[in-house]
Amino acid sequence: KAGVTQTPRYLIKTRGQQVTLSCSPISGHRSVSWYQQTPGQGLQFLFEYFSETQRNKGNFPGRFSGRQFSNSRSEMNVSTLELGDSALYLCASSPTGNEQYFGPGTRLTVT
Amino acid sequence: AQSVTQPDIHITVSEGASLELRCNYSYGATPYLFWYVQSPGQGLQLLLKYFSGDTLVQGIKGFEAEFKRSQSSFNLRKPSVHWSDAAEYFCAVTTDSWGKLQFGAGTQVVVTP
Repeated sequence: KAGVTQTPRYLIKTRGQQVTLSCSPISGHRSVSWYQQTPGQGLQFLFEYFSETQRNKGNFPGRFSGRQFSNSRSEMNVSTLELGDSALYLCASSPTGNEQYFGPGTRLTVT
Repeated sequence: AQSVTQPDIHITVSEGASLELRCNYSYGATPYLFWYVQSPGQGLQLLLKYFSGDTLVQGIKGFEAEFKRSQSSFNLRKPSVHWSDAAEYFCAVTTDSWGKLQFGAGTQVVVTP
């Protein structure tokens, strides 16, 4: 089976802009989770979707949002980018939720 | 508060030597436990998981981990490390049946010849 894919792999944006990241889960997996990884804060949970419904949400401001489509593909959006949003954004898919398989990540740099 | 602690930020080990990485958690209920490995510039790869049952679990790449309820620990071990084991290792925990993993800060493993 193909693994989790994330696009784009690298992205450079300017403060104030918005960005959309995409994640395609492993075939058959209905749960998609998103995490932010930074050197200072480590790995932090953003949100999780299952069958197009957000089931769980982390402690991030409303500028961070996501959605899931009927084919289980997911997108996350960050509006009004700040320098502190520079991070590796990781997507993980799971057949049910807790056993998660990660993609390679999208490296976002905000200048 | 729920927490996951990896006491060792950095470990240096000689190739062929044994490796043990520590993970302690503080949760009210018995959680689901995972170990992941991350190579530079890569995502996280699942090494092994513990949900219930036998407290010694085998994973990929020759790794194993032991769940000790009395010590709230889930330590990762490998009998003989290879240079390719140099990476960052993360312990992760959840009590949910759906995704919201809480990760430890990670342990960087350096393998010397």
